[in-house]
Amino acid sequence: AQSVTQLDSQVPVFEEAPVELRCNYSSSVSVYLFWYVQYPNQGLQLLLKYLSGSTLVKGINGFEAEFNKSQTSFHLRKPSVHISDTAEYFCAVSGYQAGTALIFGKGTTLSVSS
Amino acid sequence: DAGVIQSPRHEVTEMGQEVTLRCKPISGHNSLFWYRQTMMRGLELLIYFNNNVPIDDSGMPEDRFSAKMPNASFSTLKIQPSEPRDSAVYFCASRSPPNTEAFFGQGTRLTVV
Repeated sequence: AQSVTQLDSQVPVFEEAPVELRCNYSSSVSVYLFWYVQYPNQGLQLLLKYLSGSTLVKGINGFEAEFNKSQTSFHLRKPSVHISDTAEYFCAVSGYQAGTALIFGKGTTLSVSS
Repeated sequence: DAGVIQSPRHEVTEMGQEVTLRCKPISGHNSLFWYRQTMMRGLELLIYFNNNVPIDDSGMPEDRFSAKMPNASFSTLKIQPSEPRDSAVYFCASRSPPNTEAFFGQGTRLTVV
């Protein structure tokens, strides 16, 4: 079974500052990793995903994440945030096999202020 | 494709009543997930199906909760009887191979009074 821990429940930052949202996972098998974003009163949408290959993954809206197998981490970063990035961010993990579960962390609320 | 469609978007019901939430996955997707989102517990996986077969329902909180997927294009989550602590947003999501993203519906906001 897999599990995900998002280390920060809330991250307040000022506009144009860099941000890192931390995610650690646990699994006995190889996994795929995802970051999703949820804006108020909406469903979740995909930011980026790691499947294999390069450990640095680029996503939409200027976000990127780095897969670190030795530290079982998949931290999300953005060099300069905007007010519009204020949202809930979820890290998720899935096994390789067909019919496997997609497990989410509890989420990190990113609040960007001017 | 219109995406994952959930209905109703909002449901207010009295304690003890039966509640049925509905989900239409994206055509061609063979995995379907039901999640519950609350402030306290975040996004919990309740149950998921693969090729219409329930794979893991260990996240279903109590026997009051049940889910079905009679065919590839429809699933229901039923709560009977409902209780105030069931108040939450319930999401349905679907995907195809595990290396692809899951697509989420807009959710059903359930309030039990």
